Amino acid sequence: EDKVVQSPLSLVVHEGDTVTLNCSYEVTNFRSLLWYKQEKKAPTFLFMLTSSGIEKKSGRLSSILDKKELFSILNITATQTGDSAVYLCAVEDGTGNQFYFGTGTSLTVIP
Amino acid sequence: DTGVSQNPRHKITKRGQNVTFRCDPISEHNRLYWYRQTLGQGPEFLTYFQNEAQLEKSRLLSDRFSAERPKGSFSTLEIQRTEQGDSAMYLCASRHGARTGPTDTQYFGPGTRLTVL
Repeated sequence: EDKVVQSPLSLVVHEGDTVTLNCSYEVTNFRSLLWYKQEKKAPTFLFMLTSSGIEKKSGRLSSILDKKELFSILNITATQTGDSAVYLCAVEDGTGNQFYFGTGTSLTVIP
Repeated sequence: DTGVSQNPRHKITKRGQNVTFRCDPISEHNRLYWYRQTLGQGPEFLTYFQNEAQLEKSRLLSDRFSAERPKGSFSTLEIQRTEQGDSAMYLCASRHGARTGPTDTQYFGPGTRLTVL
């Protein structure tokens, strides 16, 4: 059965801390892995990863994929209160017809 | 791109009633996805359209659920004989489908929150 597992389920940190969110997957015929940020609304796109070992970076956020070990991490450095959200990991299957989402990691950044 | 829109944003209904939601994708996006999201969970795939063709449907989807995308533009999701367990956020996403790389990602609408009493 195809599945995506995220850890930890929730995380509380202080402003300025660095956090690492994990995503492991078992999906037949992998095509891409995506990270989304969800506040109290629809998910917004952060990164798409298709190749192993190539870091994607956007400001204080970065992500990398390991297709051999079937996982990805999302790093956030110098966290701010505005980073508080649920971070979702999704894997696209080879057909492009389906995306499998994890349950998300709820991040709370305390001032 | 004006974004994906969904209507209504909120729907409260009594158990046993039928409800219909509408999704208007970003223009020129030929791929459209429906998801259901409950509290504390990630979006759960329901169905997928490429243009007007429904190419994928979740095996877990009850036959009370049906979706259409006439003419390959907007889509509707209907739930018949609603149950309390249908209460959730229903998300629609669209995707261009002909691009490559990060721009070929899903763009989500604001969702329709359904409450079944």
